[in-house]
Amino acid sequence: LAKTTQPISMDSYEGQEVNITCSHNNIATNDYITWYQQFPSQGPRFIIQGYKTKVTNEVASLFIPADRKSSTLSLPRVSLSDTAVYYCLVGDPRALLQAGTALIFGKGTTLSVSS
Amino acid sequence: NAGVTQTPKFRVLKTGQSMTLLCAQDMNHEYMYWYRQDPGMGLRLIHYSVGEGTTAKGEVPDGYNVSRLKKQNFLLGLESAAPSQTSVYFCASNQRGTVLSYEQYFGPGTRLTVT
Repeated sequence: LAKTTQPISMDSYEGQEVNITCSHNNIATNDYITWYQQFPSQGPRFIIQGYKTKVTNEVASLFIPADRKSSTLSLPRVSLSDTAVYYCLVGDPRALLQAGTALIFGKGTTLSVSS
Repeated sequence: NAGVTQTPKFRVLKTGQSMTLLCAQDMNHEYMYWYRQDPGMGLRLIHYSVGEGTTAKGEVPDGYNVSRLKKQNFLLGLESAAPSQTSVYFCASNQRGTVLSYEQYFGPGTRLTVT
């Protein structure tokens, strides 16, 4: 399984754009990059997934360079409610869908948004 | 849809007591998982199930037992609780299929304290 490295914590103010970078040098050909968000006292929640280039949804954007050795989660105009832990995961969705497999969560990045 | 629900939300046990945590999902998912999350750490897989009547060990299975008698329910049992089992327990599920999504659906968690 590809190991990921991301900052332990980040601080931001409301209205700013936040970019969280994740390093995954050993990513395999079939691996996808997925980000989860966890609010205090809640379970993790899937927010975005990508394989290469750029993916955007209503919550965030995910930028993946051509070599796929890193990725950047971008949160536009954060608010206080975006304060959470953000986890970068790398893995093969086929393993999850065909055999069931554990998601490997590291320590994540704790994002604190202030007013 | 309620998604993934967990019962109870909080519990305090004395060392040596037993209890069962209940997880229920209404999404008709094949795969179900039990994780534990300790302060400042990622989630670790305890046991999982790939279908009704089947269970398998995860990374940290000692001290726990599980059962999946019905597809929608996954029970986690502690036969003789120990202080080292103080943690937050999350249940998760995902479908079996071919749509390439690395998404597991998590419950709200059960906070267990063993004194």
